[in-house]
Amino acid sequence: DVKVTQSSRYLVKRTGEKVFLECVQDMDHENMFWYRQDPGLGLRLIYFSYDVKMKEKGDIPEGYSVSREKKERFSLILESASTNQTSMYLCASGGGGAYEQFFGPGTRLTVL
Amino acid sequence: GENVEQHPSTLSVQEGDSAVIKCTYSDSASNYFPWYKQELGKGPQLIIDIRSNVGEKKDQRIAVTLNKTAKHFSLHITETQPEDSAVYFCAASGGRNQGGKLIFGQGTELSVKP
Repeated sequence: DVKVTQSSRYLVKRTGEKVFLECVQDMDHENMFWYRQDPGLGLRLIYFSYDVKMKEKGDIPEGYSVSREKKERFSLILESASTNQTSMYLCASGGGGAYEQFFGPGTRLTVL
Repeated sequence: GENVEQHPSTLSVQEGDSAVIKCTYSDSASNYFPWYKQELGKGPQLIIDIRSNVGEKKDQRIAVTLNKTAKHFSLHITETQPEDSAVYFCAASGGRNQGGKLIFGQGTELSVKP
């Protein structure tokens, strides 16, 4: 079974803090994705990566950055957290050339 | 770029009835259309998918239909059960030169009443 794990299920941070969300997959997938999920808006793509050290912006990259130093790990970074970044964050991975994505359980981030 | 619209946003049915969720997409180059189910407290999980060279696909109580001309696809769940209650998302592949990207619909919260 594909397993995608996320470092925290719940996280509470203060405005202005630097926040790291970690995602690890165990299927040797080339592709990894970060989404945020908000009611009525579905899943919106923040950043994705097709290979180690490669990253591409998704639809809503503003206020976020990412890091992929190892194939199995994809980190989402909020350089200076703001209240409008309170959301559910979902990580996913997928094989190269294939569209199917496997999701982690999500991290619910609250920024106070 | 690709845009996916999903309806309805909420759907309530009686156990045993059928449920239908509809999606439309904008990019005619999209060729892969998955459906995900998200249960409370969990990440979305793929339940069925269809590629653009097929018009219909069925897996037990769930089926997906695709109309490429009209650019819409639908999820059909028959004989609904309480455990079908969840949020369902449709998605479309990102189209030409978009690699493994998926564009998701807004989600449908399905409630199956016993």
